[in-house]
Amino acid sequence: EAQVTQNPRYLITVTGKKLTVTCSQNMNHEYMSWYRQDPGLGLRQIYYSMNVEVTDKGDVPEGYKVSRKEKRNFPLILESPSPNQTSLYFCASSLGFTRAEKLFFGSGTQLSVL
Amino acid sequence: GESVGLHLPTLSVQEGDNSIINCAYSNSASDYFIWYKQESGKGPQFIIDIRSNMDKRQGQRVTVLLNKTVKHLSLQIAATQPGDSAVYFCAEGDRISNFGNEKLTFGTGTRLTIIP
Repeated sequence: EAQVTQNPRYLITVTGKKLTVTCSQNMNHEYMSWYRQDPGLGLRQIYYSMNVEVTDKGDVPEGYKVSRKEKRNFPLILESPSPNQTSLYFCASSLGFTRAEKLFFGSGTQLSVL
Repeated sequence: GESVGLHLPTLSVQEGDNSIINCAYSNSASDYFIWYKQESGKGPQFIIDIRSNMDKRQGQRVTVLLNKTVKHLSLQIAATQPGDSAVYFCAEGDRISNFGNEKLTFGTGTRLTIIP
């Protein structure tokens, strides 16, 4: 089944404790992206990647890191999480590397930073 | 209706009736528009898209209308079913580089509730 898989589904952590949210897609998609979803603000892009070893900042990249060592994986790293990073996170992928169209989204990771 | 950046909380529709969800966008340079459906506890799911050289596009039970003059987008769902209950997002796309990669700006969503 074609899908984008994120782990974990839920995560509670404390301020400053490094964490990684994994994302993997099995559709051989070029384009991958991370979004955060907050009430009243919609989906905001954190980082995106158009191909292996090619990443770029989205609208809200501060406090986040990503890497794209393999085509299928695009982990999101929070080196020193803070409470304002409490949010619902979505990873997404798309076939076309030039367009973020028809994004396939994962099921989300609900992160709480205490 | 929904505006990218503003929030219209809910729309309630009787089962079997048609639903119309509206979206206003502000960037006249946007050339691509897309609707997503997000069910509770799930990620957004693609419904339908439309390019700026079109004013209407139809899918299965859904139609997207684009009015570039007033920068308005709408999603029409025919004969709504309980499974249509969800939050619906519009997004607009604008090319941001010579490579053609597109930046999508999402609206905050409209919650559609189907009344049995």
